[in-house]
Amino acid sequence: AQSVTQPDIHITVSEGASLELRCNYSYGATPYLFWYVQSPGQGLQLLLKYFSGDTLVQGIKGFEAEFKRSQSSFNLRKPSVHWSDAAEYFCAVGDYGNKLVFGAGTILRVKS
Amino acid sequence: EAGVVQSPRYKIIEKKQPVAFWCNPISGHNTLYWYRQNLGQGPELLIRYENEEAVDDSQLPKDRFSAERLKGVDSTLKIQPAELGDSAVYLCASRGSGVPTDTQYFGPGTRLTVL
Repeated sequence: AQSVTQPDIHITVSEGASLELRCNYSYGATPYLFWYVQSPGQGLQLLLKYFSGDTLVQGIKGFEAEFKRSQSSFNLRKPSVHWSDAAEYFCAVGDYGNKLVFGAGTILRVKS
Repeated sequence: EAGVVQSPRYKIIEKKQPVAFWCNPISGHNTLYWYRQNLGQGPELLIRYENEEAVDDSQLPKDRFSAERLKGVDSTLKIQPAELGDSAVYLCASRGSGVPTDTQYFGPGTRLTVL
């Protein structure tokens, strides 16, 4: 069965600094990978997804993620964080059965 | 385009009481999901519908949970009776097709507190 690990429960970065959120997955076949963001009281919003092709994926709000099969990782990055990026971020892996399995999430705090 | 609509947004009940959550997916979306999100965790799938058929309900605790999607549009998730451990956020999501790479769109969720 597939699983997702997000090693960092909380991360704090300064506004304008770069960001990297880690995600490791376990899945037997080629995975479909997703990053979602959840602000307080809001539903999850898709940032980006990967299912084939170029391993560097661009998303909304200036985010990107890189798929590394050898490391079973799909880390999320942003070169310069804005205060509005403070939220909880979820990595997820999907299968052919249309089921998403989510990690436990990483809470991002941005300090000014 | 309207997003996924859920109601109520918040619900507080006593244990052993029944509760129901309603979801209206994005127009035209055939696939509908119910997830439960416990505090400090990611969402976990409870049930998936393709049109009006429940095609994956393996994670739904069937002794107390039930769901329906009449006419293949909106859906209701019910808990009867509720237990303290059911306190969580219940999320509804929809997708336009059955293609795994297609995006799931999430509603804002219903936060349930069982006292």
